[in-house]
Amino acid sequence: DTAVSQTPKYLVTQMGNDKSIKCEQNLGHDTMYWYKQDSKKFLKIMFSYNNKELIINETVPNRFSPKSPDKAHLNLHINSLELGDSAVYFCASSQVPIQGQSPLHFGNGTRLTVT
Amino acid sequence: SQQGEEDPQALSIQEGENATMNCSYKTSINNLQWYRQNSGRGLVHLILIRSNEREKHSGRLRVTLDTSKKSSSLLITASRAADTASYFCATDENQGGKLIFGQGTELSVKP
Repeated sequence: DTAVSQTPKYLVTQMGNDKSIKCEQNLGHDTMYWYKQDSKKFLKIMFSYNNKELIINETVPNRFSPKSPDKAHLNLHINSLELGDSAVYFCASSQVPIQGQSPLHFGNGTRLTVT
Repeated sequence: SQQGEEDPQALSIQEGENATMNCSYKTSINNLQWYRQNSGRGLVHLILIRSNEREKHSGRLRVTLDTSKKSSSLLITASRAADTASYFCATDENQGGKLIFGQGTELSVKP
C-alpha cells in the first residue's frame, strides 16, 4: 500500500504554462508538506498544512499555490512556469505539525522539467 | 539558512565495509533525523535522535549525537550494495520548528 502518493511522476512543460501536482496520503496524518529538491539535491520546504490549514509558507513566489481539499490531500498548482522551476517536488506527511518531532513520510517525487 | 551539512559529500566503499557519514549543524536543536534516498525515489526515514540522547541503534545503523560539538554521525555496518543511496541529516530549528535538510552524502557500495 502506497502511504504517500503523488502524480504525475514526470511533468515536462513549456515556460508560461500552468500545471498541478496532486498528493494523497493514507496514513491518517494531519500534517502535509511540499518540498522542492534542486539539481544539487538540496531539499527545501515550501509549504506545510495542518488539518487543511496553512502553517508554513516559505518565501515562495506567488505563482505557487497549495490547496488542501481535506487533510488527506495537498495539491500544488504552479502558474506561469519558469525555467528555474525545474526541480523534483516532494509531498510529505507527518503525524504532528511540529517538524522534527516525528518522521516525515515522503512520496516518490514529481520531476518537473520546464523547457 | 542551511542547517545540517553532511561530510563527506560522496563515499565509495566495498561490500562488507563500514560506512560513516557525518553531519554538522549550527544552532541548538531538539531532534536530529537521518533519511535515505534511493535514486529516483522519495526520502525514507531511518532514525530520529533527541538532543538528550547520545546514541541510537536500528539494525545495522548506529547514530551518535554530540550536542557540544553540534555534530552527528551515521554508521552503517557490514554495508551491502543495496545501501547505495544518498543519506541526509535533518535538524529542527528551535524558533521556526522547521526541519532543515543538509545536501546529503552520496554512498556507493560496490559488490
